[in-house]
Amino acid sequence: QKEVEQNSGPLSVPEGAIASLNCTYSDRGSQSFFWYRQYSGKSPELIMFIYSNGDKEDGRFTAQLNKASQYVSLLIRDSQPSDSATYLCAVGRGQNFVFGPGTRLSVLP
Amino acid sequence: DTAVSQTPKYLVTQMGNDKSIKCEQNLGHDTMYWYKQDSKKFLKIMFSYNNKELIINETVPNRFSPKSPDKAHLNLHINSLELGDSAVYFCASSARPTGSYNEQFFGPGTRLTVL
Repeated sequence: QKEVEQNSGPLSVPEGAIASLNCTYSDRGSQSFFWYRQYSGKSPELIMFIYSNGDKEDGRFTAQLNKASQYVSLLIRDSQPSDSATYLCAVGRGQNFVFGPGTRLSVLP
Repeated sequence: DTAVSQTPKYLVTQMGNDKSIKCEQNLGHDTMYWYKQDSKKFLKIMFSYNNKELIINETVPNRFSPKSPDKAHLNLHINSLELGDSAVYFCASSARPTGSYNEQFFGPGTRLTVL
């Protein structure tokens, strides 16, 4: 069974701080890696995707991938209360995608 | 100009009934998916469909069947509904099935309640 693991949280950070979200995966053949944000009662919204080792930055978000360690992370700089949501890590191999259980982030004003 | 749309948004039905959920994407994507998110918020892929190739998650009961009249639509049919089918069902699409550009975009979801 291919697994994707995340800390369920809640992860609480003060407004303006850096939020660090982590994800590990078991399938070494995984090819694509995604971070989704899901507000309560809403659908998952793509935040970042990364395919190669290293860092990828987009605005306040940075995704980091380390395939050797089977680890992918998401950093959110200058966290805002509007960032409060559940963050889902997803790992793809071929046409199969496995989502983690999500980490609930709470940004405190 | 909704990218991925689903109907209905809410569906309440009795055990044993047969129901369908429709999904349409106007992104010109080649691949579409169905996901189930249960009460514990775990999102699990049910099907992926690309150019008439259907990949089924082996854990999905055969009461569930996807039907694609064309590349822009992937409907989900559910026969003999059971209480455990209650969940939110999300449709998604991606430009390609694998490799780069396979990031998925989700529809708004359909909350199915089986009584």
